[in-house]
Amino acid sequence: GAGVSQSPSNKVTEKGKDVELRCDPISGHTALYWYRQSLGQGLEFLIYFQGNSAPDKSGLPSDRFSAERTGGSVSTLTIQRTQQEDSAVYLCASSLRQGNEQYFGPGTRLTVT
Amino acid sequence: GNSVTQMEGPVTLSEEAFLTINCTYTATGYPSLFWYVQYPGEGLQLLLKATKADDKGSNKGFEATYRKETTSFHLEKGSVQVSDSAVYFCALNSGGSNYKLTFGKGTLLTVNP
Repeated sequence: GAGVSQSPSNKVTEKGKDVELRCDPISGHTALYWYRQSLGQGLEFLIYFQGNSAPDKSGLPSDRFSAERTGGSVSTLTIQRTQQEDSAVYLCASSLRQGNEQYFGPGTRLTVT
Repeated sequence: GNSVTQMEGPVTLSEEAFLTINCTYTATGYPSLFWYVQYPGEGLQLLLKATKADDKGSNKGFEATYRKETTSFHLEKGSVQVSDSAVYFCALNSGGSNYKLTFGKGTLLTVNP
């Protein structure tokens, strides 16, 4: 069956612009996670959704970052006023329920120039 | 808080050599432990896991044993292949309300024919 998909696969943006990254989880998966993979920091947790609610936003690095999930399915991570340090690969994962195996998407590579 | 420390790479081996990638952790409670693999150009995949002390996870010839007394989860394979070339990540989750993953920095393995 279809895995986790993310779009776009690559995004180049100018400093100061806003970007939206999309994640389509595996159908029926209630839990959804965003992570960030960067050279300096490795893989870091950003935010967790259970259904449409985000009980843990503790990893969002600043108030320029926000995320939402609608219909218990698609999630969008928005970065406002992008900075060069936002350049990274943004990974989305989903699991059937919290505590089950997390399945990762291929990621969106964001480059801020 | 939770943390994972894994052997820094890169690691370069010849085909059929023995592989060990060390991983130690700090966590509250009773974490579950994981090894993820990222093949070139692909997303993260779960390689193996262990959910309690003395459990051994295994898959594709790889093994790791959950050692609570040494807080370790070292990855081993008796005879590596060129196709094992990838980045390997040790990770944990400590349960609780969201099961977010905490990752090590990753170890790049290159296997030469």
